[in-house]
Amino acid sequence: DGGITQSPKYLFRKEGQNVTLSCEQNLNHDAMYWYRQDPGQGLRLIYYSQIVNDFQKGDIAEGYSVSREKKESFPLTVTSAQKNPTAFYLCASRRTGTSGVGEQFFGPGTRLTVL
Amino acid sequence: GENVEQHPSTLSVQEGDSAVIKCTYSDSASNYFPWYKQELGKRPQLIIDIRSNVGEKKDQRIAVTLNKTAKHFSLHITETQPEDSAVYFCARGNQFYFGTGTSLTVIP
Repeated sequence: DGGITQSPKYLFRKEGQNVTLSCEQNLNHDAMYWYRQDPGQGLRLIYYSQIVNDFQKGDIAEGYSVSREKKESFPLTVTSAQKNPTAFYLCASRRTGTSGVGEQFFGPGTRLTVL
Repeated sequence: GENVEQHPSTLSVQEGDSAVIKCTYSDSASNYFPWYKQELGKRPQLIIDIRSNVGEKKDQRIAVTLNKTAKHFSLHITETQPEDSAVYFCARGNQFYFGTGTSLTVIP
């Protein structure tokens, strides 16, 4: 379903622990994104990356970190500094280029619960 | 600002009726406006999009209209069916910014 995968599907974490969410795509897309989804608040951008070895903060980057060492991979680390990390996390990718803006493809999501 | 305002947040319609969801934005440079459908427990998927050089686009029972002067765009679903029940999101531009979603329920 679109060639973008996230793992794990469900993740439980104790307070004070860092946790890393995986996102992989085989669509050869340059751009990748992380969103957080809470009930009634839509999709909020955490980080995005337009190209390998480069990434930018979104609206709610505090308490999160990312890396983009490979085109196919864009892992998200939820650190202990994130005050309310329990949420549904969605990764997405998009082809970029001279043809302009195009569709984003989403992964199946990871539901993180902090105990 | 960057936000996209989306209304209504919830919408219930009888099967066969039409549903309309509206989004407004403020950045006049936006030129791409997609709509996504997210069924319960699943990932958002693109259902229709429109670029700024056209005012309307249709795909079977779904249509999107764009008014660049007024900075709003709308999703229209005709002859609604129970399987249309989902959360719908609008977005603009590079899709960094999504609306807050509309939960549509189609009552059989």
